[in-house]
Amino acid sequence: QAVLTQPSSLSASPGASPSLTCTLRSDIDVGTSRIYWYQQKPGSPPQYLLRYKSDSDKQQGSGVPSRFSGSKDASANAGILLISGLQSEDEADYYCMIWHNTAYVVFGGGTKLTVL
Amino acid sequence: EVQLVESGGGLVQPGGSLRLSCAASGFTFSSYWMTWVRQAPGKGLEWVANIEGDGSEKYYVDSVKGRFIISRDNAKNSLYLQMNSLRAEDTAVYYCARLTTVTYHFDYWGQGTLVTVSS
Repeated sequence: QAVLTQPSSLSASPGASPSLTCTLRSDIDVGTSRIYWYQQKPGSPPQYLLRYKSDSDKQQGSGVPSRFSGSKDASANAGILLISGLQSEDEADYYCMIWHNTAYVVFGGGTKLTVL
Repeated sequence: EVQLVESGGGLVQPGGSLRLSCAASGFTFSSYWMTWVRQAPGKGLEWVANIEGDGSEKYYVDSVKGRFIISRDNAKNSLYLQMNSLRAEDTAVYYCARLTTVTYHFDYWGQGTLVTVSS
């Protein structure tokens, strides 16, 4: 079982508020995990969006619009990236990431977000 | 302005070796952990290795342990990845990135260098 699982694709219309999920392997507790989110557009390196652990422990990337936000679904053991008021420029691949066993990095498989 | 510029990619035969470099500028290089992340064509991101600012700590993904070596030369503001015993599955764009030590995210990335392992 993969450490982080993301749906491979998601489509939404402009103005919608899609939620991108990142499900942690069952032996890793989302409640104690900091989930990082990156956006990658074709031909470009990834860009950091935000980090979310809780409402009191979160960090927005420099210059990242506030319509990008993080949350968690404890019942699903998942981190969530919420994009409010989807715009055409948000079409991209989105990756979640965690630090695993302190010094090792794990990325999710990525979600390709299509703006209809 | 922070800049990271990778070089050294190219075509190499299976079993061969290649050394990637990442030239850093615009910040105090020795103060930062650095990392290599790769992305196979049409695939997702895969973390490869991290190295501490003074080079004393290094960590690798299991698939490259014993084959790849991450290193740095702080006097030259350069990060390296020595890749040995290369396999077809190592074919990817290799990015170097800087790790912030406040929030532990990768805040600056290079544009990447393509490594193709093929006969």
